[in-house]
Amino acid sequence: DAGVTQSPTHLIKTRGQQVTLRCSPKSGHDTVSWYQQALGQGPQFIFQYYEEEERQRGNFPDRFSGHQFPNYSSELNVNALLLGDSALYLCASSSVGQGQVTQYFGPGTRLLVL
Amino acid sequence: GQQLNQSPQSMFIQEGEDVSMNCTSSSIFNTWLWYKQEPGEGPVLLIALYKAGELTSNGRLTAQFGITRKDSFLNISASIPSDVGIYFCAGRDTGTASKLTFGTGTRLQVTL
Repeated sequence: DAGVTQSPTHLIKTRGQQVTLRCSPKSGHDTVSWYQQALGQGPQFIFQYYEEEERQRGNFPDRFSGHQFPNYSSELNVNALLLGDSALYLCASSSVGQGQVTQYFGPGTRLLVL
Repeated sequence: GQQLNQSPQSMFIQEGEDVSMNCTSSSIFNTWLWYKQEPGEGPVLLIALYKAGELTSNGRLTAQFGITRKDSFLNISASIPSDVGIYFCAGRDTGTASKLTFGTGTRLQVTL
């Protein structure tokens, strides 16, 4: 049973560029949440997708956007990158049938903005 | 963004010792989760708590959902070297679907 997968594992970009990160949820899960984890801190909620719609959003600017596909996979897009966007980006999947409570995380994509 | 307060921030213990850590919030949660994260990895779910006062074990790990619903505790008994990592608590509040709010983390180091 495949767990949550994310790609790429590492990425280096320069300020002002745009980036797309990808996530495939755990088998049987239909909800994807994205988190940003800065060095030395706990993950911070960015947004959540269910039924191909953004259902909930944290305190992140509109430069952060996402998408969910019919197969439940998801993308996180960040435009006009800033140095402060350097972080580990985590995807977590869950199931509506399980109350979306228990979230399982992928290994993350480490983004470095120069 | 908001983060829950975890203590201690870090711990250096000897193999075989028991470990206790806690997590506090200014607001009520209806679910508490404990995760462990190792370098270069995503958080791995250890224990989930769904009811105030609940005490749940997973092997050498035991966690409790505080009666006030504003805190949670994690204990690790007879620590071993593979317990090394950062332990995060996470709470799901009553007003949102499933957004998790994470703690600041407790870094655990185990010496032989």
